[in-house]
Amino acid sequence: GNSVTQMEGPVTLSEEAFLTINCTYTATGYPSLFWYVQYPGEGLQLLLKATKADDKGSNKGFEATYRKETTSFHLEKGSVQVSDSAVYFCALSNFNKFYFGSGTKLNVKP
Amino acid sequence: NAGVTQTPKFQVLKTGQSMTLQCAQDMNHEYMSWYRQDPGMGLRLIHYSVGAGITDQGEVPNGYNVSRSTTEDFPLRLLSAAPSQTSVYFCASRITGQAMNTEAFFGQGTRLTVV
Repeated sequence: GNSVTQMEGPVTLSEEAFLTINCTYTATGYPSLFWYVQYPGEGLQLLLKATKADDKGSNKGFEATYRKETTSFHLEKGSVQVSDSAVYFCALSNFNKFYFGSGTKLNVKP
Repeated sequence: NAGVTQTPKFQVLKTGQSMTLQCAQDMNHEYMSWYRQDPGMGLRLIHYSVGAGITDQGEVPNGYNVSRSTTEDFPLRLLSAAPSQTSVYFCASRITGQAMNTEAFFGQGTRLTVV
């Protein structure tokens, strides 16, 4: 079947710290992988995506690499800002459906 | 572009009441879907549609009905609300479900409380 597992939060970091949020997946076939971000009171917004193995998605200083050998898609950012505080969802798309992880809340303190 | 519009944003229902959550998109997307978001459980798919006149069940369809009479609209109906349906509901659309690399666009959400 298809499923996504991501690290539990909350993750609390100081401004300018390095961020890693782990995400692993199980899937049949060749899924596409996504990271979405949800700011308080809002819907989910696409942060980045990768559509095949070894692709790297990047946006706003965030990046993630599609690793088929380890079935992972870890999110990284070199220097977080207070404005990055949000909930981050890892997701995969296979056939007609999206499958989401449980979300990781990030708190960035000044 | 308005994108995906959901109404209402907040709703309180009494157990046993019925209501319809509205979802409309203006991007001419074939694929639309409804999710519920519960703490610690991420988003779970309720129902989805690959085009007008076609709907199918997702992971948690019980207690919900949908229809797709137009490309733009995909309403979600709660026939007899239960406290277990207290959740935040999101509608999403994408160009087509067959293109797995296309992103989904989400509405702002409807926060539903059933008392």
